Amino acid sequence: NAGVMQNPRHLVRRRGQEARLRCSPMKGHSHVYWYRQLPEEGLKFMVYLQKENIIDESGMPKERFSAEFPKEGPSILRIQQVVRGDSAAYFCASSPSGSYGYTFGSGTRLTVV
Amino acid sequence: DAKTTQPPSMDCAEGRAANLPCNHSTISGNEYVYWYRQIHSQGPQYIIHGLKNNETNEMASLIITEDRKSSTLILPHATLRDTAVYYCIARGETDSWGKLQFGAGTQVVVTP
Repeated sequence: NAGVMQNPRHLVRRRGQEARLRCSPMKGHSHVYWYRQLPEEGLKFMVYLQKENIIDESGMPKERFSAEFPKEGPSILRIQQVVRGDSAAYFCASSPSGSYGYTFGSGTRLTVV
Repeated sequence: DAKTTQPPSMDCAEGRAANLPCNHSTISGNEYVYWYRQIHSQGPQYIIHGLKNNETNEMASLIITEDRKSSTLILPHATLRDTAVYYCIARGETDSWGKLQFGAGTQVVVTP
């Protein structure tokens, strides 16, 4: 029973490029959450998705960031035109329902050069 | 979700019990207390949660005061692998649907 899978583990992008981060939830989990952790800071909620729906995007920056969780395939966090300030660890979590049972992935470390 | 307050850091000797306090004086009746930890560079790991009764699992014990304004996470026999940031989160099952609000947590260092 594989856990939450995130890939890539490390991603390097030049300023202005696009970054695509993938998250495959645990089997049977239909709720996905994305969190960002800036260097030396705590985890900040970004977005909560259920299959094909965005439930809560209150933590998403208004520009350049988007997330989706299609009916088939992994959840994708997309960052367009990356800037140095986007460098962070991005963690995905999944749960079987929206109330509890969170399991986190190992994260994607994005470095913008 | 209620605000929680934790000490920024604490040290613990290997093999001894680690007692991690958390204050949540504004917690409401339907809010659970959750504990997670984050070992350096890894994703957060669930430890335990409870509402008002004390809870124990293979990782830790959670002691919640009768008035529910504070709680203590107990790691019974700390090992070097328990060095991590520990987060106490108060969260309702129906409020703030989905998201967990992480604070600064407590940096626990277990020393030989």
